Amino acid sequence: KNQVEQSPQSLIILEGKNCTLQCNYTVSPFSNLRWYKQDTGRGPVSLTIMTFSENTKSNGRYTATLDADTKQSSLHITASQLSDSASYICVVSPNSGGYQKVTFGIGTKLQVIP
Amino acid sequence: DVKVTQSSRYLVKRTGEKVFLECVQDMDHENMFWYRQDPGLGLRLIYFSYDVKMKEKGDIPEGYSVSREKKERFSLILESASTNQTSMYLCASSRTGRRSQPQHFGDGTRLSIL
Repeated sequence: KNQVEQSPQSLIILEGKNCTLQCNYTVSPFSNLRWYKQDTGRGPVSLTIMTFSENTKSNGRYTATLDADTKQSSLHITASQLSDSASYICVVSPNSGGYQKVTFGIGTKLQVIP
Repeated sequence: DVKVTQSSRYLVKRTGEKVFLECVQDMDHENMFWYRQDPGLGLRLIYFSYDVKMKEKGDIPEGYSVSREKKERFSLILESASTNQTSMYLCASSRTGRRSQPQHFGDGTRLSIL
């Protein structure tokens, strides 16, 4: 069964500090990996997508990396802001099968404190 | 911006009731999805639809049905609500069937079955 594991489960950091969230997956064959941000009481919003050939992609203060050989991705947040407090969800899609094969991680809950 | 609107933010129903959750998207998207989100489990796909009157089962379809009579509207039906269906329900849409397309989520309906 395809799995997506995220770590840590939760994280508290001071405003202005950097942090890195991890996503390990066993989905194979791999098509793409997407990071979502979910604010409390809201639906998830896509931050970035990584395909097999991409190693790094940035979206403002968010930088995602992908190592398809080790099946690991990370999301690095630079100079954190209070508005970064949210859950970050990693979603991995295989390149075959229907949407039933898309696997969501449980998420990392990030709290940024002043 | 894509807007996915779920009819209720909070809903309280009784065991055995028939419950309807409504979702509307305003961007002429082909695909629509229903998920439930539970603590420690992440998002799980209940049903999705890739066209009007078309539907496919997700990971956990038991106890649910769906209806898509118009392209913009996707309804989730709990035929006879049970307490184990208490959860956060999220609707999403995507422009096409390609899984590289991001899903756009509504803000969820928190459903309590008493």
